[in-house]
Amino acid sequence: GNSVTQMEGPVTLSEEAFLTINCTYTATGYPSLFWYVQYPGEGLQLLLKATKADDKGSNKGFEATYRKETTSFHLEKGSVQVSDSAVYFCALHAGGTSYGKLTFGQGTILTVHP
Amino acid sequence: DGGITQSPKYLFRKEGQNVTLSCEQNLNHDAMYWYRQDPGQGLRLIYYSQIVNDFQKGDIAEGYSVSREKKESFPLTVTSAQKNPTAFYLCASTRGVVRDNEQFFGPGTRLTVL
Repeated sequence: GNSVTQMEGPVTLSEEAFLTINCTYTATGYPSLFWYVQYPGEGLQLLLKATKADDKGSNKGFEATYRKETTSFHLEKGSVQVSDSAVYFCALHAGGTSYGKLTFGQGTILTVHP
Repeated sequence: DGGITQSPKYLFRKEGQNVTLSCEQNLNHDAMYWYRQDPGQGLRLIYYSQIVNDFQKGDIAEGYSVSREKKESFPLTVTSAQKNPTAFYLCASTRGVVRDNEQFFGPGTRLTVL
């Protein structure tokens, strides 16, 4: 079956530090990959996505590259801000007969201190 | 503004009671989804619907029921058969089930069983 594994958190950083959150996946076929962000008490918002191998998704200074050879989609940001404190979810959409269903990782809590 | 609304934001239930969570979208999306979120476990799919008057069980459907009588509405009933209903519930929708379509999420309902 399909699965997504994220690095365990929580991750605690100082403002302006470099961020990496690892994400690896298992899927049949050629999935699309997503990063969602959840701020406290809210729903999920799409942060970025990539739909084929070697695609790079980017948004708000965050980037992730779809690496088929390593089945990975790691999230990076060069300089984090306090406002980036949130829970980050990696997800895949397997396509085919999955009927739009997403498979999520367990989430990684990020806390950024001033 | 287009989006997904969920109500209520907080819901308290006594053991043995059924409760219904509302989800409405004005995005003209065909597919809708219900997820349950527990700390440290990511999101798990409860039910999904591709079109009006049709829905399928997700990974954890036991103790839940849904209906899809209108395109814009997808209410979730948490029945007394659900043994551990305390959780954060998220509704989502997507334009279609092709693999590069993102899901849009509502703000969530936090259900607590007293």
